[in-house]
Amino acid sequence: GAVVSQHPSRVICKSGTSVKIECRSLDFQATTMFWYRQFPKKSLMLMATSNEGSKATYEQGVEKDKFLINHASLTLSTLTVTSAHPEDSSFYICSARTSFGRNEQFFGPGTRLTVL
Amino acid sequence: AQTVTQSQPEMSVQEAETVTLSCTYDTSESDYYLFWYKQPPSRQMILVIRQEAYKQQNATENRFSVNFQKAAKSFSLKISDSQLGDAAMYFCAYRSARGTSYGKLTFGQGTILTVHP
Repeated sequence: GAVVSQHPSRVICKSGTSVKIECRSLDFQATTMFWYRQFPKKSLMLMATSNEGSKATYEQGVEKDKFLINHASLTLSTLTVTSAHPEDSSFYICSARTSFGRNEQFFGPGTRLTVL
Repeated sequence: AQTVTQSQPEMSVQEAETVTLSCTYDTSESDYYLFWYKQPPSRQMILVIRQEAYKQQNATENRFSVNFQKAAKSFSLKISDSQLGDAAMYFCAYRSARGTSYGKLTFGQGTILTVHP
């Protein structure tokens, strides 16, 4: 099946710094990728939809200047958390949608961000 | 906007027995997809089963089956012959088949399933 990777799997940073998370589709091209945030034992909350070659579409309440998304190629989308604060600590998950077959979404393994 | 509701925060089942997880949703659309995802402790999201709204026949995948009631907007998951490896958080999800929300998944709150040996 289709494989999506995320890097890093875990990151700890100091308050005020920026952190970049990569999402890659390893064996397929993904014109659309999605970024989710998940708190412990809670549901996934969609943050933004990332389309290759165009600006990301953010969900209501998500600060686009805080969470920068770049979808530079058909296999890579990045999420940069700028000027991170402790309240940004969370589990971030990406998914990539195939453009063939059933247009399924395949999820990455997630990135745990801890801001000190 | 679509909403998905899972009213059971936690469920438990004995190994080898059957358990049903509930899910209801609200939508004004006629064409959509419904999913059940499993999230084990590793937190990797795994697709369990998928149902197209236009299909009357309930989807099945080995020990997993659904009871899709379109008029009632209900989509429950039945796990038969439960195994220890089934222990996870289960999410019900909705996806529009067209329009501006195409491709976006809306998740329910999740149900934590515990399997007792």
